Amino acid sequence: KNQVEQSPQSLIILEGKNCTLQCNYTVSPFSNLRWYKQDTGRGPVSLTIMTFSENTKSNGRYTATLDADTKQSSLHITASQLSDSASYICVVSDNSGGGADGLTFGKGTHLIIQP
Amino acid sequence: NAGVTQTPKFRILKIGQSMTLQCTQDMNHNYMYWYRQDPGMGLKLIYYSVGAGITDKGEVPNGYNVSRSTTEDFPLRLELAAPSQTSVYFCASSFHLSGSYNEQFFGPGTRLTVL
Repeated sequence: KNQVEQSPQSLIILEGKNCTLQCNYTVSPFSNLRWYKQDTGRGPVSLTIMTFSENTKSNGRYTATLDADTKQSSLHITASQLSDSASYICVVSDNSGGGADGLTFGKGTHLIIQP
Repeated sequence: NAGVTQTPKFRILKIGQSMTLQCTQDMNHNYMYWYRQDPGMGLKLIYYSVGAGITDKGEVPNGYNVSRSTTEDFPLRLELAAPSQTSVYFCASSFHLSGSYNEQFFGPGTRLTVL
């Protein structure tokens, strides 16, 4: 069964500090991996999408990495801001065409930025 | 563009009542989806549609029905509400099938409580 595991479950850091969130997956066949940011009470918003051939992708202060060999991804946040407080969700696509959306969602990492 | 809109934002139902969650998108996307998000869990696909008149079941369809009469609208129907349907419901849309290398846009969600 396809699975996406995220760590840590929750994280508290001080404003201005950097942090890294982890995502491990067992999804086959692999098509792409995406990171979403979900503010409290809102829907998820896409940060990055990476395919097998993309090792790194940036979106402002967010940098995602992908190691398709070890089936791991990370999301690095630089110089955190209070507005970064949110849940960050890792989603992996198998795009197997076997029906449905081909997406497996992680449970998310709840990040709190303290002033 | 308003993107993906959902109504209502909040709703409390009694066991056995029925209701329709509304979803509309103005991006001319063919693909639309309904997910539920339970506390501490990843999003689960309920139903999806690849175009007007075409719908299919996702991972957790029991207790729900959908229809897609237009490209813009994708309502979700709960016929006999049960406490297990207490959740936050998200509608999403995309230009291509979501597992492909394309962005999926989410609505703000409907928080439903069944008592």
